[in-house]
Amino acid sequence: DGGITQSPKYLFRKEGQNVTLSCEQNLNHDAMYWYRQDPGQGLRLIYYSQIVNDFQKGDIAEGYSVSREKKESFPLTVTSAQKNPTAFYLCASTSADRGGNTIYFGEGSWLTVV
Amino acid sequence: DAKTTQPPSMDCAEGRAANLPCNHSTISGNEYVYWYRQIHSQGPQYIIHGLKNNETNEMASLIITEDRKSSTLILPHATLRDTAVYYCIVKNQGGKLIFGQGTELSVKP
Repeated sequence: DGGITQSPKYLFRKEGQNVTLSCEQNLNHDAMYWYRQDPGQGLRLIYYSQIVNDFQKGDIAEGYSVSREKKESFPLTVTSAQKNPTAFYLCASTSADRGGNTIYFGEGSWLTVV
Repeated sequence: DAKTTQPPSMDCAEGRAANLPCNHSTISGNEYVYWYRQIHSQGPQYIIHGLKNNETNEMASLIITEDRKSSTLILPHATLRDTAVYYCIVKNQGGKLIFGQGTELSVKP
């Protein structure tokens, strides 16, 4: 079955450490996205990528980095520069055309700084 | 970028229709409107999407105004399991997905 997979589901990070969240899709989608969600809040766009080897900053990119070396993979690194990284992180993918195609979401990853 | 605006919360009686509005007054002519819902910080669930015409599926109906500046998601017979946060999303021409803040729908017995 086609879908989008995030891992790990839960992750704990010590202050000063970088951590990487995985997002993999087997839907042959060109476009992939990372969102952050704080408790009781909406989704805020961190980074998105429309094509391999290219990505754009979203609204809250500071303290985060991404890569898009393969079409099916879009990992997010939360760096030590992100001062308040504890949040729920969601990955999404869809076709890169104008629209009309379903957007798929992963089940999310919880990151906690300890 | 297109911006979406939704009321923060709404109540609905079980069995009645829930009508959730979304304002997207800056939407461009070929940008689609999507509706998703999220329960307990799980991955959002697809409901419906549309461009110009009204759409209906087994979950809901989507009414888009003629000028496309707003839309309404209709859950025809809300149940307690429809309690969730509902997001209106616009996919702009650059591929960016623009989320509203979401409407927290509470369906009450």
